[in-house]
Amino acid sequence: DGGITQSPKYLFRKEGQNVTLSCEQNLNHDAMYWYRQDPGQGLRLIYYSQIVNDFQKGDIAEGYSVSREKKESFPLTVTSAQKNPTAFYLCASSIGATVQETQYFGPGTRLLVL
Amino acid sequence: QKEVEQNSGPLSVPEGAIASLNCTYSDRGSQSFFWYRQYSGKSPELIMSIYSNGDKEDGRFTAQLNKASQYVSLLIRDSQPSDSATYLCAVNRDSSASKIIFGSGTRLSIRP
Repeated sequence: DGGITQSPKYLFRKEGQNVTLSCEQNLNHDAMYWYRQDPGQGLRLIYYSQIVNDFQKGDIAEGYSVSREKKESFPLTVTSAQKNPTAFYLCASSIGATVQETQYFGPGTRLLVL
Repeated sequence: QKEVEQNSGPLSVPEGAIASLNCTYSDRGSQSFFWYRQYSGKSPELIMSIYSNGDKEDGRFTAQLNKASQYVSLLIRDSQPSDSATYLCAVNRDSSASKIIFGSGTRLSIRP
């Protein structure tokens, strides 16, 4: 069964804590992305990776970090520097990163601050 | 000016009617255009992609692209209650699909 999985579904963060969101895909896609969605808003790009061991900042990278050590995995760490982390986090992937590639989304992780 | 603009709605359409969703974008160099459907609390799912001027039909859905006027629309024929969702317009930025920018979405409600 091919697809994108994200875990956990819900995540609670305490003040000053770093938390890591998992994203795994078995679609053999080269490119992976992280977005943040706030209520009533569209998606904003945090980081993206077009190939293993390489990634670029998106529009709102401050307070976040990523790694891409394996093709199928692209974890996102929300650091204590991110002062307003409460949001719905969506991971996506695409076959490549050309103009016509479609991005497919995982089920999302909802992050809440205690 | 926002890069991708959509009317937030809600757009209320009677069951069986045509729902028309519109989106305008600012980057004339954009080449790829996508419509995603997002149910409340769920992740977006692709409905249509369109790359050339004109219409593209897929079942009850038709995407329309007019690059000269910088707008893209989605028509849903024979609207069903299950079509009630938020529809996100997405446009590639620069020459890379890695930089897709999303509109804030239009909330569509189909009334029985």
